[in-house]
Amino acid sequence: AQTVTQSQPEMSVQEAETVTLSCTYDTSENNYYLFWYKQPPSRQMILVIRQEAYKQQNATENRFSVNFQKAAKSFSLKISDSQLGDTAMYFCAFMKHIVNYYGGSQGNLIFGKGTKLSVKP
Amino acid sequence: DAGVIQSPRHEVTEMGQEVTLRCKPISGHDYLFWYRQTMMRGLELLIYFNNNVPIDDSGMPEDRFSAKMPNASFSTLKIQPSEPRDSAVYFCASSPSAGSGYEQYFGPGTRLTVT
Repeated sequence: AQTVTQSQPEMSVQEAETVTLSCTYDTSENNYYLFWYKQPPSRQMILVIRQEAYKQQNATENRFSVNFQKAAKSFSLKISDSQLGDTAMYFCAFMKHIVNYYGGSQGNLIFGKGTKLSVKP
Repeated sequence: DAGVIQSPRHEVTEMGQEVTLRCKPISGHDYLFWYRQTMMRGLELLIYFNNNVPIDDSGMPEDRFSAKMPNASFSTLKIQPSEPRDSAVYFCASSPSAGSGYEQYFGPGTRLTVT
């Protein structure tokens, strides 16, 4: 079974600075996808960034980037120029590529326990 | 697009009562997922459907929980009878089979409190 571990329950960062959130996972699969989701106090789950395991290049989305180390099974999120609106719970998630009876290839997300990030003015 | 719609947003009920949570996925999405979020267990899958067919229900806690997807635009999660330990936030998410990089789009969640 796959597991996702986020070892930092809480973190804080000053506005405009950079912060890195850690995530490790355990799997025997070779074909999978990794995600970071953000959950602000509104409770809405919002995708921040995704990474396909077969891609060596690290994904970036504006101020957000990942450091994907496949051999080490590590998937950290770096937030640059932190903003007050980045205050939220951040969840790392794993999805394996599967093929079901009906030809579909998507599985469910397996989430870590989350890191609560506070951006301070 | 209106996004994934869940109702009700909040539900308070007494132990032993039946509870029905509803979800309308984004039009054109052929995957629908039900997740539950608690402080103790975090976010965990309950069940998911592909083209209205249940694919994996291994996360459904016990026989008190049931889920249906009678058509592509509607799904229900029913708890009967409800217990205090069922108190949680229940999320519905949908996803298209192609073109989204496997992103799941989440609804706003239903906060269930069983007293």
